[in-house]
Amino acid sequence: DAGVTQSPTHLIKTRGQQVTLRCSPKSGHDTVSWYQQALGQGPQFIFQYYEEEERQRGNFPDRFSGHQFPNYSSELNVNALLLGDSALYLCASSLLLGPGQYFGPGTRLTVL
Amino acid sequence: AQRVTQPEKLLSVFKGAPVELKCNYSYSGSPELFWYVQYSRQRLQLLLRHISRESIKGFTADLNKGETSFHLKKPFAQEEDSAMYYCALRINNAGNMLTFGGGTRLMVKP
Repeated sequence: DAGVTQSPTHLIKTRGQQVTLRCSPKSGHDTVSWYQQALGQGPQFIFQYYEEEERQRGNFPDRFSGHQFPNYSSELNVNALLLGDSALYLCASSLLLGPGQYFGPGTRLTVL
Repeated sequence: AQRVTQPEKLLSVFKGAPVELKCNYSYSGSPELFWYVQYSRQRLQLLLRHISRESIKGFTADLNKGETSFHLKKPFAQEEDSAMYYCALRINNAGNMLTFGGGTRLMVKP
């Protein structure tokens, strides 16, 4: 089991563009959470998907949206990119009330 | 809203010295607390959780509800302990959303 995988590894976009990030959870996990980690800060919770529905959401604007597929993989979409969206985006998988979350390596997004 | 504070951005100690990484939280209920670690060029991984009350790699952490703290301790630091450490909080029965602190970089010098 490769654990949580994310693609792409790095991404460069310009302001106003849209981006899609992808995540495959660890085998056996049914819940996917997304976090944004700005440079020098801890991860911030964006939202969580379970049974293909957004279950919880952090303090992020509607420009951030997501999706979970029947195979539990997930996508994070960000529209109308801003410079401030530049960050490492982390995906984490777990069981819904499992003991901990398993993190992927992240996708580094740079907005120019 | 809940909040996690790690007052030290950087903690530098010599090998063999004791280590204490501080974590304070604010939440009116009874949360679950975690420590996550990120070694150089590796992904974020769970180190320990307060419910388990276990020692991992020589590290322990005790939840002090009176002081709302969850400090991470190790009696004798090793060079391989050098990493970023994040304290995180989860509200029980609220899914698996984690609230993280800003992190502390631990540097263990030879």
